Amino acid sequence: VQLQESGPGLVKPSETLSLTCGVSGYSINRDYCWDWIRQSPGKGLEWIGSYCQSGGTHYNPSLKSRVIISVDTSKNQFSLKLDSVTGADTAVYYCARGTHSGYFDYWGQGTLVTVSS
Amino acid sequence: DIQMTQSPSTLSASLGDRVSITCRASESISIWLAWYQQLPGKGPKFLIHKASSLQSGVPSRFSGSGSGTEFTLTISSLQPGDFGTYYCQQYNTYPWTFGQGTKVEIK
Repeated sequence: VQLQESGPGLVKPSETLSLTCGVSGYSINRDYCWDWIRQSPGKGLEWIGSYCQSGGTHYNPSLKSRVIISVDTSKNQFSLKLDSVTGADTAVYYCARGTHSGYFDYWGQGTLVTVSS
Repeated sequence: DIQMTQSPSTLSASLGDRVSITCRASESISIWLAWYQQLPGKGPKFLIHKASSLQSGVPSRFSGSGSGTEFTLTISSLQPGDFGTYYCQQYNTYPWTFGQGTKVEIK
């Protein structure tokens, strides 16, 4: 199983951050959850949310009002949209495969997103 | 949210050393704890789940223990590829949360 993040590396404040995670080696409509996690120097690793095939979406309450995670099974990929970004959203964003228990068994290599004008 | 606290923040050790990292939860999480290794410039790699269950393919020098609020990751004999940062993560209660990391560096 391999995951690869893609998307703009620079986003302006107040705009929407959009990232996609391409999955190979596993069909995302079979099972598991598909998660986004970010890492910033100030906050360490922060779970953003997940889309679970059998259980819908779950979001971190700290970001819930601004986040949407969706899945495109035809392309075997899933996406993250984060609205109204500020400098605090500058981070390395990872996509990961989540188990139904809640841990993450495969991760992408991460992509740096900087929020700046 | 459940707070996860790791100690030490940095650990200096030599090849062949036995090292241990502690992870404490702000409330009981039973055995619902995972450990990850992160090498520079890479995404985290999954090592252990359910506090002590080693992921397939992970060397047996890695082991985990604990339950409730206190957990330990032990590397029995440090190898060159083990120098990096280690994170714990609880998956007892949403939102899932991580420790701040322990950097294992060469002495």
